[in-house]
Amino acid sequence: AQKITQTQPGMFVQEKEAVTLDCTYDTSDQSYGLFWYKQPSSGEMIFLIYQGSYDEQNATEGRYSLNFQKARKSANLVISASQLGDSAMYFCAMRVYSSASKIIFGSGTRLSIRP
Amino acid sequence: DGGITQSPKYLFRKEGQNVTLSCEQNLNHDAMYWYRQDPGQGLRLIYYSQIVNDFQKGDIAEGYSVSREKKESFPLTVTSAQKHPTAFYLCASSIQGQAYEQYFGPGTRLTVT
Repeated sequence: AQKITQTQPGMFVQEKEAVTLDCTYDTSDQSYGLFWYKQPSSGEMIFLIYQGSYDEQNATEGRYSLNFQKARKSANLVISASQLGDSAMYFCAMRVYSSASKIIFGSGTRLSIRP
Repeated sequence: DGGITQSPKYLFRKEGQNVTLSCEQNLNHDAMYWYRQDPGQGLRLIYYSQIVNDFQKGDIAEGYSVSREKKESFPLTVTSAQKHPTAFYLCASSIQGQAYEQYFGPGTRLTVT
């Protein structure tokens, strides 16, 4: 069975510090994609970053990077130089080749940035 | 501008009443999805559709129904059998394939009165 686990329900970080949000996944498929989404208090889901299972390099998008450790089945999101606007819920998600239409989401981490 | 629209933004439903949530996309995506998000929780898949006139149950389909008569539209009906309290409903669409992210609508907040 496929599963995404986010073990940090909430985190507080000082502005301008880097923060790592944890995500572990479980699948027996060899081919899959991993995603991170941000959900501000307004409710919309914003796509942040994608990592494919065969990608050798860690994905990066501006201040976001994905620390992909395939052997450990982890896909942690790193936000560098955090800003007040980064305060939101963050969801890790996975899509596998054998069920390419379904995306499975984790339970989320609420990130709060302190000024 | 391409995107996904959901209406209404807020909806009130009395117990025993059926209500329909609208979802429209102009991204030319084949796949569309409905999720429910309970307060402070993650997203749970209700139904998804890979192609017109075809849809599959997700993890929490009981008490819900959908149709996919047009590529652009994927309405969700919350039936009287659905006893779940207030929740946030999100519609999404995507290109088929593992590498493609989902695009989400702004959501509908459904309150049971």
